[in-house]
Amino acid sequence: GDSVTQMEGPVTLSEEAFLTINCTYTATGYPSLFWYVQYPGEGLQLLLKATKADDKGSNKGFEATYRKETTSFHLEKGSVQVSDSAVYFCALRKSGNTPLVFGKGTRLSVIA
Amino acid sequence: DAGVIQSPRHEVTEMGQEVTLRCKPISGHNSLFWYRQTMMRGLELLIYFNNNVPIDDSGMPEDRFSAKMPNASFSTLKIQPSEPRDSAVYFCASSLWADNSPLHFGNGTRLTVT
Repeated sequence: GDSVTQMEGPVTLSEEAFLTINCTYTATGYPSLFWYVQYPGEGLQLLLKATKADDKGSNKGFEATYRKETTSFHLEKGSVQVSDSAVYFCALRKSGNTPLVFGKGTRLSVIA
Repeated sequence: DAGVIQSPRHEVTEMGQEVTLRCKPISGHNSLFWYRQTMMRGLELLIYFNNNVPIDDSGMPEDRFSAKMPNASFSTLKIQPSEPRDSAVYFCASSLWADNSPLHFGNGTRLTVT
C-alpha cells in the first residue's frame, strides 16, 4: 500500500543551522505531497504542498521539491530559528479524495 | 474562517465510562476525518466521511468506537466503554473534496482514561 517514510528524529540543531528532513514515498499514480508542522499542544498545520513532479512548495523559509524520479519530498530551511522547534510530518494524498497518508513525524529541536 | 473546532480540549474519565468527542468542520468542506495520535503509533486514521457518509472505517480499533456525521457541520466520535489504552489525542480534520486539497486540523482532544 501507499506509505511515507521520514528520517528518524529527534533532530537537534543550533540556531541558524541548515535543516534537511528527508521524506520518501511509495504510491501508485501521482499523489500530492504535503509537509505539516505540529507545535506543542496544537493540531497539525499545513506548512507547504506540491501537486506534481518538479513543483516546489515553499512557506516561512521552508522549501520542498517534488522529485518523482527519486520519490522524495525533502524539507529544507536555510537558517532555522528556535521558534521552528516542532514535529514535522510528511504526507501524501492520492486522487479520488482519499485521506492523507502520514509519515511518523520528525521532532526538531533548535537551540539558541 | 474559524477553523476546525473540537470539544472538549481535554477529557479525563474512568474506565468503563462513555466518552463523546465533538467536531465542527470548516464551513463548505465536504470531507471529514478522525485521527488518533499516540507516542507509540503516531497518527492513525480512524474513519472518514464524504458528504456526511462514512467511506472507510477500517481504522476504527474496535466495536467500542463509533462515529457519526448527522449533518455537514457536526461529527461525533464515541467510545463506549472506554479503556485506559484509548488514552490519546484525537484529531478531527476537514477538507474540500479535491485531490490536492490539504486537510485542516482542529487542535485535538486529549483523552485520558484512568
